Amino acid sequence: DAGVIQSPRHEVTEMGQEVTLRCKPISGHDYLFWYRQTMMRGLELLIYFNNNVPIDDSGMPEDRFSAKMPNASFSTLKIQPSEPRDSAVYFCASSLYTFPMTGDGDQPQHFGDGTRLSIL
Amino acid sequence: GQNIDQPTEMTATEGAIVQINCTYQTSGFNGLFWYQQHAGEAPTFLSYNVLDGLEEKGRFSSFLSRSKGYSYLLLKELQMKDSASYLCAVSNTGGFKTIFGAGTRLFVKA
Repeated sequence: DAGVIQSPRHEVTEMGQEVTLRCKPISGHDYLFWYRQTMMRGLELLIYFNNNVPIDDSGMPEDRFSAKMPNASFSTLKIQPSEPRDSAVYFCASSLYTFPMTGDGDQPQHFGDGTRLSIL
Repeated sequence: GQNIDQPTEMTATEGAIVQINCTYQTSGFNGLFWYQQHAGEAPTFLSYNVLDGLEEKGRFSSFLSRSKGYSYLLLKELQMKDSASYLCAVSNTGGFKTIFGAGTRLFVKA
């Protein structure tokens, strides 16, 4: 059973360039989340989708960031133009659960391995 | 406002017991999670509490007091592989917006 797949695993690019991060959620999961993790700010929720529709993007830092989910099996997070302060690990997560979780097998969000982004 | 506080670092000895505390203030509450994150890896789910009390799962237990805005993660029979960051996270009303604490880095020494 494949987990959440993110690409690329590592990205190094120069300031001002466009960066596109990709995510394939677990099949059948109808929620998808994008997080950013830094030493200073920890793990922050940027945006989440339900059934491909953006529900809450209040965590998106500024207009340079955009996220799309054109279908149930693919999402992108784009930064244009990129800046050094965008350097972080970006995680995608997906879930299929209701609150409160009732079953022993219930799991909250399943995280991908992350994309380590460095903007020079 | 929303705030989750947990100690930055802790050190414990192999075979011992360690308790990692978490206090929170959030707008609405729909459950508290603990995640483990090894360096360079993704967070992995450990436990979930929505009602007051203790949830036990093997060597790991998690406690919640909603009235006090307080939780702790208890790790027993510590092993070297337990050296990791432990993230406390709270889901607000509606359940899907999860706020994470900065994490507690646990060092297990021989």
